[in-house]
Amino acid sequence: GAVVSQHPSRVICKSGTSVKIECRSLDFQATTMFWYRQFPKKSLMLMATSNEGSKATYEQGVEKDKFLINHASLTLSTLTVTSAHPEDSSFYICSARRQGLYTEAFFGQGTRLTVV
Amino acid sequence: KNEVEQSPQNLTAQEGEFITINCSYSVGISALHWLQQHPGGGIVSLFMLSSGKKKHGRLIATINIQEKHSSLHITASHPRDSAVYICAVLGGRGGSNYKLTFGKGTLLTVNP
Repeated sequence: GAVVSQHPSRVICKSGTSVKIECRSLDFQATTMFWYRQFPKKSLMLMATSNEGSKATYEQGVEKDKFLINHASLTLSTLTVTSAHPEDSSFYICSARRQGLYTEAFFGQGTRLTVV
Repeated sequence: KNEVEQSPQNLTAQEGEFITINCSYSVGISALHWLQQHPGGGIVSLFMLSSGKKKHGRLIATINIQEKHSSLHITASHPRDSAVYICAVLGGRGGSNYKLTFGKGTLLTVNP
């Protein structure tokens, strides 16, 4: 199956700093990628839909200025957590689907962010 | 009421048992995913199906579109099957920008 690579898998940062998470589709072009956040023992929560070459579409309640998304190419989307706070500590995971109808979703390995 | 309901929420089995996890949804869908998430977080897509039945090794997934119900079966369960299994549905017309709606997951523990 297709591969979506997410990096880093774990990151610890200090409060007030910014952290960038990368999501790459390794063997297919993804015009759309999805960024999720997962709280402990909870299901995935969609944060935003990342569209190549245009602005991301954020879900209600997600701060655009805090979670910056850039989809600069057909194989790379980045999520930057700006001015991180301990409450931003969470598991972040990206997903992408091939172009077309009814295509399977592939997920990155996820990033465990800890803000200290 | 969630659009995607899974049952049971937690399931404990002995090695070798036949496992069934159920998923019901209340919206029209174009496809349904079964996902597996191990401790440590990575998510693997097990199946995507829009009708009938699919089989991969010891895993079988079925879907009944009329009844809006899907099941994931694991035959001859093994401790390495211990994970959270998530049902996710793809609504709308199924284009690549359409969102998945997730169930809350079923935590499966298979004891040796």
